[in-house]
Amino acid sequence: EAGVVQSPRYKIIEKKQPVAFWCNPISGHNTLYWYLQNLGQGPELLIRYENEEAVDDSQLPKDRFSAERLKGVDSTLKIQPAELGDSAVYLCASSLEGWSNDEQFFGPGTRLTVL
Amino acid sequence: AQSVTQPDIHITVSEGASLELRCNYSYGATPYLFWYVQSPGQGLQLLLKYFSGDTLVQGIKGFEAEFKRSQSSFNLRKPSVHWSDAAEYFCAVGGITGGGNKLTFGTGTQLKVEL
Repeated sequence: EAGVVQSPRYKIIEKKQPVAFWCNPISGHNTLYWYLQNLGQGPELLIRYENEEAVDDSQLPKDRFSAERLKGVDSTLKIQPAELGDSAVYLCASSLEGWSNDEQFFGPGTRLTVL
Repeated sequence: AQSVTQPDIHITVSEGASLELRCNYSYGATPYLFWYVQSPGQGLQLLLKYFSGDTLVQGIKGFEAEFKRSQSSFNLRKPSVHWSDAAEYFCAVGGITGGGNKLTFGTGTQLKVEL
């Protein structure tokens, strides 16, 4: 069974440019998460989807970040414009449902470098 | 608010030696607790989880963890470390916060294994 797929794996852009990350969750998983992982830190939740509905986006900086999960399957996270401080790893995860005890399966992440 | 503390940023052990990684949590009710491992360039992989019942839980790769409510701890242990265990380890607590499911991670412990 394929795991969570993310692309690209690495992205280098200049500040003020836009960037987008793509995630395809495990088949059948209704819940999808985007996490931000800064160097030396644990992942922090940006947004959580239940099917196509964003049910928790309280930590998403909405002035420059946006996300969508059309049709409740794959998802895209966008930053526009990117800032130097956005350099980090962006992780996508999925779970069958959104319960607290559901195992979350993580993708390999996209490492973003903003110059 | 839920939180996780991993007091050891780095730990070095010799191959074959025992290992204990510390984790303390803060949560208002019975927590759901997880340990994840992250190898370089890889996503997070679940080692084990605790929801209820027996406070000593067994995981993959020979790891175990013990939930101690009185100490708000969920320490990870392995009796004999292998060189391939070198990675970063994250403790996480899951629960319902603000009406939604949320997984909060600690800052991680980087494990180095000396041959």
